[in-house]
Amino acid sequence: AQSVTQLGSHVSVSEGALVLLRCNYSSSVPPYLFWYVQYPNQGLQLLLKYTSAATLVKGINDFEAEFKKSETSFHLTKPSAHMSDAAEYFCAVRPFYQKVTFGTGTKLQVIP
Amino acid sequence: DTGVSQDPRHKITKRGQNVTFRCDPISEHNRLYWYRQTLGQGPEFLTYFQNEAQLEKSRLLSDRFSAERPKGSFSTLEIQRTEQGDSAMYLCASSFVASDEQFFGPGTRLTVL
Repeated sequence: AQSVTQLGSHVSVSEGALVLLRCNYSSSVPPYLFWYVQYPNQGLQLLLKYTSAATLVKGINDFEAEFKKSETSFHLTKPSAHMSDAAEYFCAVRPFYQKVTFGTGTKLQVIP
Repeated sequence: DTGVSQDPRHKITKRGQNVTFRCDPISEHNRLYWYRQTLGQGPEFLTYFQNEAQLEKSRLLSDRFSAERPKGSFSTLEIQRTEQGDSAMYLCASSFVASDEQFFGPGTRLTVL
């Protein structure tokens, strides 16, 4: 069975600072990996996805994530935080032909 | 608007009442998913349809829950004899059959008093 662990339920960064949100996964088969963002009282929006092509994946709003098989990680980064990035971020894993499993989420606070 | 829509956005009900939620997916999408999200948790899979066929149900989906997608378009999720533990955000998502990307609706927040 697959699972996702997001380290840190809350992360605070200063505006303009690097954003790093951590995600580790376990999967018995090669997975597809996703990062979603959720703003208050809204559904989830896909930021980026890894589907076994390039290991460094670029997404919307300057977010990117790197798939590291040896570390079973898929951390999300952004070089410079913006106030509008404040939201909850979910990492998700989907082994081939199986259903998606989401992590418990990380709330990002951006301090002006 | 061509996104996924859900109705109602909020529902407050008393314990023991039945509730029904509706999801309208993106029109070209064959697959439709239902998830439940409680406070501090990520979405948990409940069930999914491919066209009108319900292909998988989670063990989270007790006998009090039923979902339909009668014509392969919109879907309904009904909860009978609601319990306080059913209070959650119910999310709907849709996708193409072969696509990995699911598009989510805004959710229906259920509060059971």
